[in-house]
Amino acid sequence: AQKVTQAQTEISVVEKEDVTLDCVYETRDTTYYLFWYKQPPSGELVFLIRRNSFDEQNEISGRYSWNFQKSTSSFNFTITASQVVDSAVYFCALSELYSSASKIIFGSGTRLSIRP
Amino acid sequence: NAGVTQTPKFQVLKTGQSMTLQCAQDMNHEYMSWYRQDPGMGLRLIHYSVGAGITDQGEVPNGYNVSRSTTEDFPLRLLSAAPSQTSVYFCASGGLETQYFGPGTRLLVL
Repeated sequence: AQKVTQAQTEISVVEKEDVTLDCVYETRDTTYYLFWYKQPPSGELVFLIRRNSFDEQNEISGRYSWNFQKSTSSFNFTITASQVVDSAVYFCALSELYSSASKIIFGSGTRLSIRP
Repeated sequence: NAGVTQTPKFQVLKTGQSMTLQCAQDMNHEYMSWYRQDPGMGLRLIHYSVGAGITDQGEVPNGYNVSRSTTEDFPLRLLSAAPSQTSVYFCASGGLETQYFGPGTRLLVL
């Protein structure tokens, strides 16, 4: 069965600090996708990244980076030099492509607060 | 393209009332889904559909019905609203490789 765990409920850091959001997943499939979404205070869900299970390369996009490790079933998200605009709830999600009941499951989210 | 649209944006219901939350997409996606978002619970899947005429239950389907008569529309019906259904509801379309979310419907059941 699918499961996504975001153990960090809330994180608060001072602006310009680096911060890592953890995501641990469970799946029986060998073919799956992992996602990160951002939900700012305005409420919409913003897609950040998708990674398939065959691509373990780390990804960097500006101040954002993602570390995918199949050995530990983790897909962690790091923000470097955080800014107040990064304050949001961040969700990790998982989809299995070939299970009999393919669907996308979300973690419970991590609320990130960046203090000026 | 309008993407994924949801109506209404906000609704207040009394316990026992029924209503339908509308969701439409113009991207010709086969896969559509409904989530509810509650504080501390994240997004929980209610129902999903992999194409017209095909629906299935998610994690929290009780109290909700869906149907999928067209590719574009995926309405969510509350048969008899309860205070426990107070939540923010998101519709999404896309596929297992990506999802596009609507703006959400905030529902308050008194």
